[in-house]
Amino acid sequence: LAKITQPISMDSYEGQEVNITCSHNNIATNDYITWYQQFPSQGPRFIIQGYKTKVTNEVASLFIPADRKSSTLSLPRVSLSDTAVYYCLVGGFGSSNTGKLIFGQGTTLQVKP
Amino acid sequence: DAGVIQSPRHEVTEMGQEVTLRCKPISGHDYLFWYRQTMMRGLELLIYFNNNVPIDDSGMPEDRFSAKMPNASFSTLKIQPSEPRDSAVYFCASSFLAGGPNEQFFGPGTRLTVL
Repeated sequence: LAKITQPISMDSYEGQEVNITCSHNNIATNDYITWYQQFPSQGPRFIIQGYKTKVTNEVASLFIPADRKSSTLSLPRVSLSDTAVYYCLVGGFGSSNTGKLIFGQGTTLQVKP
Repeated sequence: DAGVIQSPRHEVTEMGQEVTLRCKPISGHDYLFWYRQTMMRGLELLIYFNNNVPIDDSGMPEDRFSAKMPNASFSTLKIQPSEPRDSAVYFCASSFLAGGPNEQFFGPGTRLTVL
């Protein structure tokens, strides 16, 4: 099973770009890398998902190197409302996937004014 | 859509009692997941269903835990008997795969306290 490692916490200021890296050395061939955001007293919310190279949506980018042993979530120009815990999830649950879903321990991002 | 609905939102019980957590997934979703979140162990997948059939229950901690999905719109997670170490937030999530991303939609969670 993939062992997932991500920084416990990060600080940033409004308007800055934030990059959070996740290490997943034992990722399986068909595993996806997914990032979730969680606010206090709420369930996690999907941010972005990728398999390899780069994926971008309206809120974030995800960079995955060729060996797929790590991934980096990039949040452009963060605001105070981006203060939350960010989780890296490795795995997949479709018929071609392992069915294992492993969450990292989460990175608490604190955005300061 | 109202999203994933979980009940109760909070549950306080005494050791040895039976606890039943309930989940209503988003209509049309064919995957349903149960997670447990604690400070010590983080988010852990307990079990997931596809089209009401349990696919992987390897995360269920022990025989005291059981989960059912009698139909596409309802699932339960039962703990019998409950123990103080079962205190956690339990999340239900659902997903509609269909060739798209493995995006899971989480409910608000049930905070369980076992005294």
